[in-house]
Amino acid sequence: DIQMTQSPSSLSASVGDRVTITCRASQSISSYLNWYQQKPGQAPKLLIYSASSLQSGVPSRFSGSGSGTDFTLTITGLQPEDFATYYCQQSLSTPLTFGGGTKVEIK
Amino acid sequence: QVQLQESGPGLVKPSQTLSLTCTVSGGSISSSSYYWSWIRQPAGKGLEWIGRIYTSGSTNYNPSLKSRVTISVDTSKNQLSLKLSSVTAADTAVYYCARGVGTTNFDYWGQGALVTVSS
Repeated sequence: DIQMTQSPSSLSASVGDRVTITCRASQSISSYLNWYQQKPGQAPKLLIYSASSLQSGVPSRFSGSGSGTDFTLTITGLQPEDFATYYCQQSLSTPLTFGGGTKVEIK
Repeated sequence: QVQLQESGPGLVKPSQTLSLTCTVSGGSISSSSYYWSWIRQPAGKGLEWIGRIYTSGSTNYNPSLKSRVTISVDTSKNQLSLKLSSVTAADTAVYYCARGVGTTNFDYWGQGALVTVSS
């Protein structure tokens, strides 16, 4: 199985901040990497697919980068509605696997 | 707008079989452009992919659950189903159905169904 490791596991930030979340794969996954946002009591929501493509309807303050084993999700200008948990997911091979999540909290 | 809705018993006894259904509306489950997955999340924990099914009927399962899982599709009802046998307390989780597209990302999800395994 491909292991996905996210860091940090949690962070505190203020509205307007630039936030960066990192995801590392245990082996190269090219650009087969997706990012999801999950709020309490809700299903995950797709933000970024194929490492850097913005899903339709997702604000442009979200961006993704990386390839191979190291990936980054950046939120530029954090908004109140962005406080949530973020997950990365590899889609190179089955079993499809997710990172452990990064909880973004209000400072 | 595609919508997915999970349904099924919220309480299952240990050693029994967990059965859930996901009803898809706003689109055909038979479209060859997509596949359909089940994903679960224990309370306060991360996401675990259970398996997927293509419209051809081809399936892939997580090896950690493969011996206990069956995913099927009923195209006449536009429904996806999950059966997980010999459940234990460790199978207590919110179970999501999701639509897979392209390079295996999940663009639509159900709201989730909480299943508790307890006697």
